[in-house]
Amino acid sequence: GENVEQHPSTLSVQEGDSAVIKCTYSDSASNYFPWYKQELGKGPQLIIDIRSNVGEKKDQRIAVTLNKTAKHFSLHITETQPEDSAVYFCAASYSTLTFGKGTMLLVSP
Amino acid sequence: SQTIHQWPATLVQPVGSPLSLECTVEGTSNPNLYWYRQAAGRGLQLLFYSVGIGQISSEVPQNLSASRPQDRQFILSSKKLLLSDSGFYLCAWSVILGDEQFFGPGTRLTVL
Repeated sequence: GENVEQHPSTLSVQEGDSAVIKCTYSDSASNYFPWYKQELGKGPQLIIDIRSNVGEKKDQRIAVTLNKTAKHFSLHITETQPEDSAVYFCAASYSTLTFGKGTMLLVSP
Repeated sequence: SQTIHQWPATLVQPVGSPLSLECTVEGTSNPNLYWYRQAAGRGLQLLFYSVGIGQISSEVPQNLSASRPQDRQFILSSKKLLLSDSGFYLCAWSVILGDEQFFGPGTRLTVL
């Protein structure tokens, strides 16, 4: 089955800095790669996703890149704000989603 | 617009007691439905998914079972809870199996 590794497990940045979270996957058949943001005590919220026919996608301060050859994808957040503090999960899917273990992002004012 | 509900929001149950968690989706027909468990400090583990009424696929053998009695209703059950069943249970839905999923608010289960 699919295996998704996510790094780092925690990331602390200053407000205004950029944050990068990286994931690798094992199943070359996976073709859908979403990113979720989870605030404490709440369900995960989809923030951006990318499909295998695209190398990069951007939505305001958030961007995702995908390297299918190397089987890795990354989340980039620019101009971080305190409200970006949360746990972020990557996932990969061919038939069902397999999630990484999450990255706790802390943005200090 | 689509909305997904879960209840109860929190639950404290003794070991050996039964469990029933409910999930309902509004604003869509024939959704794919999913149950996940999230242990403290860990990722989301897919427990069950359903592509239609009465159709349940189990991803992980365990003490739990799932049922889908109606198109937009998904229930997670157990006959006898174990301590290891404690966790945050999340329901999700999607239009296409394995594609863009939307999560409910979750149920925090503590087994004592």
